[in-house]
Amino acid sequence: DAGVTQSPTHLIKTRGQHVTLRCSPISGHKSVSWYQQVLGQGPQFIFQYYEKEERGRGNFPDRFSARQFPNYSSELNVNALLLGDSALYLCASSPPGWGRYQETQYFGPGTRLLVL
Amino acid sequence: QKEVEQNSGPLSVPEGAIASLNCTYSDRGSQSFFWYRQYSGKSPELIMSIYSNGDKEDGRFTAQLNKASQYVSLLIRDSQPSDSATYLCAVNKPEAGGTSYGKLTFGQGTILTVHP
Repeated sequence: DAGVTQSPTHLIKTRGQHVTLRCSPISGHKSVSWYQQVLGQGPQFIFQYYEKEERGRGNFPDRFSARQFPNYSSELNVNALLLGDSALYLCASSPPGWGRYQETQYFGPGTRLLVL
Repeated sequence: QKEVEQNSGPLSVPEGAIASLNCTYSDRGSQSFFWYRQYSGKSPELIMSIYSNGDKEDGRFTAQLNKASQYVSLLIRDSQPSDSATYLCAVNKPEAGGTSYGKLTFGQGTILTVHP
């Protein structure tokens, strides 16, 4: 079975631009989470969506937004890009169910964003 | 105080030795604990989860949890050069009301090098 897929794999943008990152979860998974990983740090939680509803939001500015589609794929949007937004953006999906199922995250390969 | 702390290393062990990776967390309400492995330039890969005090073994890996001391560890027996990677500790805490979802808080990771 295919794992979590993300596109694009790499992206270069300039300050002030907008970016859209895409993610498809593992087949049968209904929950998608987004994380930002800056070089040398652990991933930081941005959002989680379950059945198209936002279930959690991390400490990120309103420039970051996301949505989930009926097929459970998801988009992460970042407006007005800053140099500090350069990072690896990870999407993770979780098995259906509650509690421990939701907590277990399986990560995709990530999108590496460079803001110049 | 960081929510999840790991010694960034690098930790260097000879091939065949036991590698011991440690993690402490600050929130006593944390209920679920995860270890991820991340190879350079790749995304995190789930190794183990642990929820109860004590040891949990899976092949060459043993996770240990002590909630009273707010401490989680990962032991890797018979370490191999292919185990050389960054090991990330992640913690989940239920939200108010007991609902749990996929917001993982990660440590900064410990770099492990296994030399032949």
